[in-house]
Amino acid sequence: DGGITQSPKYLFRKEGQNVTLSCEQNLNHDAMYWYRQDPGQGLRLIYYSQIVNDFQKGDIAEGYSVSREKKESFPLTVTSAQKNPTAFYLCASSISLGQPQHFGDGTRLSIL
Amino acid sequence: AQKVTQAQTEISVVEKEDVTLDCVYETRDTTYYLFWYKQPPSGELVFLIRRNSFDEQNEISGRYSWNFQKSTSSFNFTITASQVVDSAVYFCALSEARDSNYQLIWGAGTKLIIKP
Repeated sequence: DGGITQSPKYLFRKEGQNVTLSCEQNLNHDAMYWYRQDPGQGLRLIYYSQIVNDFQKGDIAEGYSVSREKKESFPLTVTSAQKNPTAFYLCASSISLGQPQHFGDGTRLSIL
Repeated sequence: AQKVTQAQTEISVVEKEDVTLDCVYETRDTTYYLFWYKQPPSGELVFLIRRNSFDEQNEISGRYSWNFQKSTSSFNFTITASQVVDSAVYFCALSEARDSNYQLIWGAGTKLIIKP
């Protein structure tokens, strides 16, 4: 079945450590997105990519980095510069920008 | 500035009742898109509907219906004969055509609890 796979489901980060969240899609979608969700809040856009080898900052990109070397993959690295990384991270994809987005199951990141 | 307001933080009803989730938006654009997504306890968001600003017809899909009123800048979502499986957080979102990147502006969500 086509879909979006995020891994791991749960992730723990130590102080000063970078961690990478995986997002893979087999929907042949051009656009991919990373969102952060905090309790009781809506989603906030971290980064998005319209096409391979291209990505743009969203509203809260500081402390995060991404790459888009393959159409299927859009990994997110939470760097040590992100001082409050504890949140639920959602990856999404769409045929193109502006089209309905399809979401993965999310990764819950916590600090040790 | 564009904005999406879901004033109802949490709604609790008994199964089989009808329930309406409110969504009010602000935009200066004449061309825009409105969305509803469902987030069940498992966490993933499920796309429910996209409506463009030129189509004010109400839409019905099974027990779900949407009422789009440009005059009041609202795009409300009604679940008829609610079921326990409808329990989830529901998000309304807006994207504007003048934003060439079509970024979604999300409401804070409404948590819907359906009691058996």
